[in-house]
Amino acid sequence: SAVISQKPSRDICQRGTSLTIQCQVDSQVTMMFWYRQQPGQSLTLIATANQGSEATYESGFVIDKFPISRPNLTFSTLTVSNMSPEDSSIYLCSVEDGRGANYGYTFGSGTRLTVV
Amino acid sequence: GNSVTQMEGPVTLSEEAFLTINCTYTATGYPSLFWYVQYPGEGLQLLLKATKADDKGSNKGFEATYRKETTSFHLEKGSVQVSDSAVYFCALSDPFGNEKLTFGTGTRLTIIP
Repeated sequence: SAVISQKPSRDICQRGTSLTIQCQVDSQVTMMFWYRQQPGQSLTLIATANQGSEATYESGFVIDKFPISRPNLTFSTLTVSNMSPEDSSIYLCSVEDGRGANYGYTFGSGTRLTVV
Repeated sequence: GNSVTQMEGPVTLSEEAFLTINCTYTATGYPSLFWYVQYPGEGLQLLLKATKADDKGSNKGFEATYRKETTSFHLEKGSVQVSDSAVYFCALSDPFGNEKLTFGTGTRLTIIP
């Protein structure tokens, strides 16, 4: 299965600033997904990123707040802009992985963000 | 839209007890179903999956059977260990559109010696 390197693993940021999270995959993938996991909650999809096109955002998430780049088939970034304490969460990237019996989704190790 | 309803936690069991975590889903068509596990301080790992009705996924002593008639994918293990303490997420992949995952709320499992 694919291996995803996600960084930073954690950060503490001041409100009003922005943080960019990076995900590097060891193989070419068509779609990359960005999720948010608020404290004690499940995962919520923020957006789907395809190479060469604008990301598709889920209801409640907007590009101005969470701009995404997808410059090639192995890399993507998510920026959390103009942060507030409510943005404190774990952010995870994911890729669809494998075919047939090996089909599944692989996740990065997550970025634990605390906004103070 | 798609949804996953998962057994509320937290769940606390003694070591070697039998485990069931219930999961039911609502989806259009025939989704693939997954159980993910998140150990303390770690990321999400795929535990098992099933891609069609009556398939049984299994891994590390855990099993779940894709039941289309009851739209369920309950997670079971015959004898749990302390090392199984984690948060378990049931999820489905959207068979239409972009194959995104929809997650249940997660069930925190604690096994006591």
